Amino acid sequence: GAVVSQHPSRVICKSGTSVKIECRSLDFQATTMFWYRQFPKKSLMLMATSNEGSKATYEQGVEKDKFLINHASLTLSTLTVTSAHPEDSSFYICSASSGYEQYFGPGTRLTVT
Amino acid sequence: GDSVTQMEGPVTLSEEAFLTINCTYTATGYPSLFWYVQYPGEGLQLLLKATKADDKGSNKGFEATYRKETTSFHLEKGSVQVSDSAVYFCAQPGGTSYGKLTFGQGTILTVHP
Repeated sequence: GAVVSQHPSRVICKSGTSVKIECRSLDFQATTMFWYRQFPKKSLMLMATSNEGSKATYEQGVEKDKFLINHASLTLSTLTVTSAHPEDSSFYICSASSGYEQYFGPGTRLTVT
Repeated sequence: GDSVTQMEGPVTLSEEAFLTINCTYTATGYPSLFWYVQYPGEGLQLLLKATKADDKGSNKGFEATYRKETTSFHLEKGSVQVSDSAVYFCAQPGGTSYGKLTFGQGTILTVHP
C-alpha cells in the first residue's frame, strides 16, 4: 500500500526559532499534499493544500507567513513553522494524494518551550 | 456546507462487547464516506469506505453501511478487542480542493480486558 513518512516524529524547540517538518510519499507520486493540525482530543483541522510546483492554498484563519509550505517535488512537501511560540505546540499530520484517496503520515509532535 | 457529525465520546467498553459509533453527514449529493482510525501516537489509517448508497464497507471486523435515508454511516463491530482502542473519525470529501476531506470530531474508544 501507499506509504507516507514524516520527519521528525517529535521535535522540541525554543520559542522564537523555526522548525521544518518533512512529508514524503515513499512509493507513489503525490500530486497533492495536505497539512493538518490536531489539538488534544480534537479533530483534524486542515491547514493548507499544496500542489507540486505551485503555491499552497491556506484555509481561512491560517497564517501563511507563519506556516510556510513548500511542495518542491511529487514526493516531498515541507511545513516550516516560523518564529514558533508555545501556542504552536501541536500534532501536525500530512497526507498525500495521487488521485481520490488520501494517505496519511504518522504525524509530528511539536513542542515549543 | 457539507459536514460530518459523530457521537460524542469517549466510549469505554469491555472486551468482546458490541460497538456502535454513530456518524451522520450533510451533503448536497451522495458523497463517498470514510472511517479512519488513529492509534495512539500515530497518524490516520483508512479503516473502511463506501462510495454509494446502500454500500457496506468492512475491514478488520468493522462494518458501516451507507444509508441515504437517514444520511448515516454508523460504525459497528460485533466483538471489540483491546487492540481496537483508538480514535475513530468519520469523513467525507469536502471543499473545493480535489481530495480534501471533512472530518467528524473523532470518537475515542477504550476497550478494557
